[in-house]
Amino acid sequence: DAEITQSPRHKITETGRQVTLACHQTWNHNNMFWYRQDLGHGLRLIHYSYGVQDTNKGEVSDGYSVSRSNTEDLPLTLESAASSQTSVYFCASSFGGRAGELFFGEGSRLTVL
Amino acid sequence: GDSVTQMEGPVTLSEEAFLTINCTYTATGYPSLFWYVQYPGEGLQLLLKATKADDKGSNKGFEATYRKETTSFHLEKGSVQVSDSAVYFCALSPPYGGSQGNLIFGKGTKLSVKP
Repeated sequence: DAEITQSPRHKITETGRQVTLACHQTWNHNNMFWYRQDLGHGLRLIHYSYGVQDTNKGEVSDGYSVSRSNTEDLPLTLESAASSQTSVYFCASSFGGRAGELFFGEGSRLTVL
Repeated sequence: GDSVTQMEGPVTLSEEAFLTINCTYTATGYPSLFWYVQYPGEGLQLLLKATKADDKGSNKGFEATYRKETTSFHLEKGSVQVSDSAVYFCALSPPYGGSQGNLIFGKGTKLSVKP
């Protein structure tokens, strides 16, 4: 079955370290998204991509970067982790179109000490 | 800009009670509207959607009607079960070009159903 997987599911790191969260989907979807989920804020969009070599900034992109070298993967990198980036991160993908369903991964819980 | 406002939670109900979770939106034109559900420890999954005014989305006993005149998309269920305990998110997909499924989410409403 097609799916979207995130790794690691849980990570603890220290302030200033570089962290990469992986996202891999097997639906062959063009669109991929990274959101963070925080109490009181719901889901906020970090970065998104509409295809290979395409990346775009979302609402809360400062301190994060993504790259899209193939259809299946959109890794999210925190260049220098900060305590404010402690959160649950969700990757999602969709085929496209404004009525298209987003398929979400199970989330990656990141703690920055 | 476009936005979604949901009623504050948490909402606690007894089993078989009637559920309403309010959702209103601000958007130019005619967005598509969605309800997503997040069960504990899981990612979000689509519950239902509506793509034009007066459309009714329905799934698993849940319903929501796209009301353009009141810019609302309230979620309802006639008789909730313990298994409906989850966080519910209202979302919209902007109507302007280039959005391609980039959703704007409300803050979520946590529902707890007691036996």
